[in-house]
Amino acid sequence: EPEVTQTPSHQVTQMGQEVILRCVPISNHLYFYWYRQILGQKVEFLVSFYNNEISEKSEIFDDQFSVERPDGSNFTLKIRSTKLEDSAMYFCASRTGGRFQPQHFGDGTRLSIL
Amino acid sequence: AQKVTQAQTEISVVEKEDVTLDCVYETRDTTYYLFWYKQPPSGELVFLIRRNSFDEQNEISGRYSWNFQKSTSSFNFTITASQVVDSAVYFCALSERGAGGTSYGKLTFGQGTILTVHP
Repeated sequence: EPEVTQTPSHQVTQMGQEVILRCVPISNHLYFYWYRQILGQKVEFLVSFYNNEISEKSEIFDDQFSVERPDGSNFTLKIRSTKLEDSAMYFCASRTGGRFQPQHFGDGTRLSIL
Repeated sequence: AQKVTQAQTEISVVEKEDVTLDCVYETRDTTYYLFWYKQPPSGELVFLIRRNSFDEQNEISGRYSWNFQKSTSSFNFTITASQVVDSAVYFCALSERGAGGTSYGKLTFGQGTILTVHP
């Protein structure tokens, strides 16, 4: 069964450094998402991406964040200058057309900011 | 604004017991979609079940069943004859259609319920 893949599984970065989290969504999916989960808390929406542009973003997704789909298969989340509070699990998700279709999640990237 | 509340923080049961996880949602949209996801100790998020706002028929799928009631804005999930492998955090999530279909399907999650099934 096709799945969403995320790399790396764990990223450790110094505060202030840039980090790029990578995702390969399921190939025939059209809508792409990033969520984050701070340890022990609920999953929070960051951004949705459709037709090569951001379609919706949350208050968390400020100017330090950006997303790209550079080559039609990868979907990346960049944090320009990381802060301690960016430490979290970051999940990529994708779905086919139709809002009733479930989003399929990757296994997540655990980001640790030192 | 959409909101999901899972009042049960933790539930502990013994294997083979039935367990019901509660979910209450808030939305002003007339068209919306509800989901349950499971997060096992390994950390991934696994889709379990879904319901749209037009379909209140409750269903059973294997050991899983769900009870959707628009009148009380609840979408409860039951595991019958629980097993140790069911131990996980369970999240209820809501997606709105948005005015004029403007929503792109972002999910709003509840706080999660930690289910522990003891042998």
